[in-house]
Amino acid sequence: GAGVSQSPSNKVTEKGKDVELRCDPISGHTALYWYRQRLGQGLEFLIYFQGNSAPDKSGLPSDRFSAERTGESVSTLTIQRTQQEDSAVYLCASSQGQGTWYGYTFGSGTRLTVV
Amino acid sequence: QKEVEQNSGPLSVPEGAIASLNCTYSDRGSQSFFWYRQYSGKSPELIMFIYSNGDKEDGRFTAQLNKASQYVSLLIRDSQPSDSATYLCAVNNPGGGNKLTFGTGTQLKVEL
Repeated sequence: GAGVSQSPSNKVTEKGKDVELRCDPISGHTALYWYRQRLGQGLEFLIYFQGNSAPDKSGLPSDRFSAERTGESVSTLTIQRTQQEDSAVYLCASSQGQGTWYGYTFGSGTRLTVV
Repeated sequence: QKEVEQNSGPLSVPEGAIASLNCTYSDRGSQSFFWYRQYSGKSPELIMFIYSNGDKEDGRFTAQLNKASQYVSLLIRDSQPSDSATYLCAVNNPGGGNKLTFGTGTQLKVEL
């Protein structure tokens, strides 16, 4: 697609429910990143996919968080048993090759509110 | 010490002035440096990148890199109210894998 597409744009969920967030990267971008941004805070790295290599999961805050990506296409971030502290904007970004050289293109984000 | 540090601001400048935004980083091995602009409620947008020491100009924006001092800056000439946003500095962190580490951002306000 023309840009990074994320869905849903907004999600309100009850504490304890599971949520699934979707990211569709720019076509041809091999690298895909998930970040989290809490209100008034900086960007917190969650997970990184590069082609068919094993993902870098070093930023996932707990085992309630998981993510998958099939090949170089869509990725889903799943949060199980959501907690109020999970409320944030979840940003997906993709990059041509290694994002550390080309920079990222971000999607518009999913605003998650846990009530 | 944070890996990427920025003054949170707000930095207020009058319209038409030069805005100077600064960023320091801790990893001497860092090689790529990026500036993102983030309007309130929006996602970050890449505006500049720089790899080599010195200045890089693009329109009203100039990125400056000094690897010896481990700082990178962004100058915005002829500041406009539409430049009012939070500016995020991002740096690659070779010791931390193939990802960028972001500063918490500096809020810029351009006043009429």
